[in-house]
Amino acid sequence: QQPVQSPQAVILREGEDAVINCSSSKALYSVHWYRQKHGEAPVFLMILLKGGEQKGHDKISASFNEKKQQSSLYLTASQLSYSGTYFCGTEWEGAQKLVFGQGTRLTINP
Amino acid sequence: DTGVSQNPRHKITKRGQNVTFRCDPISEHNRLYWYRQTLGQGPEFLTYFQNEAQLEKSRLLSDRFSAERPKGSFSTLEIQRTEQGDSAMYLCASSTEREVSEQYFGPGTRLTVT
Repeated sequence: QQPVQSPQAVILREGEDAVINCSSSKALYSVHWYRQKHGEAPVFLMILLKGGEQKGHDKISASFNEKKQQSSLYLTASQLSYSGTYFCGTEWEGAQKLVFGQGTRLTINP
Repeated sequence: DTGVSQNPRHKITKRGQNVTFRCDPISEHNRLYWYRQTLGQGPEFLTYFQNEAQLEKSRLLSDRFSAERPKGSFSTLEIQRTEQGDSAMYLCASSTEREVSEQYFGPGTRLTVT
């Protein structure tokens, strides 16, 4: 079952914050976040494991709510370089493959 | 470490022809994955290998698709009798054998079937 990402698209001005959500109907083992720019390969951002941990580096962080089976990606004080499509890849326990959401297109305007 | 590489980067073929793509993973990575991505969608899992063993294949994958990783290093993905619906970006990714490991993607091969 494909995870559901929301919103599908968001437009921000430079310096604004954004939250992208990834929800699963099936119990998750881990959530992997990627950013993809047009015509390029997805670039790994971070992994979160079940257990409700929160991770972050620079101004991008993420959390994993095991009760809701949802992960959220937080981008604070957004920069032009943050533009792209963000995908969550979900992994169920015992499965080695990722099932990706449909993506959230983020546009940062100056 | 030069990252995951894929060849060719672009392939245009006529319907009914066979095509083969190659993926070279990061050298110390034992796991190798193939995904397909169409415009506006996330990558869709096709198959994955641990060393030379193909451990899972998507049920959505037609019999026209076959993948190999003969020596546990590079992998090839072959599509026989291509159809227009096969037009997509074919992505390869690799990872270590750790229980939870990030997958690093190659630049992809864009296939156009005319």
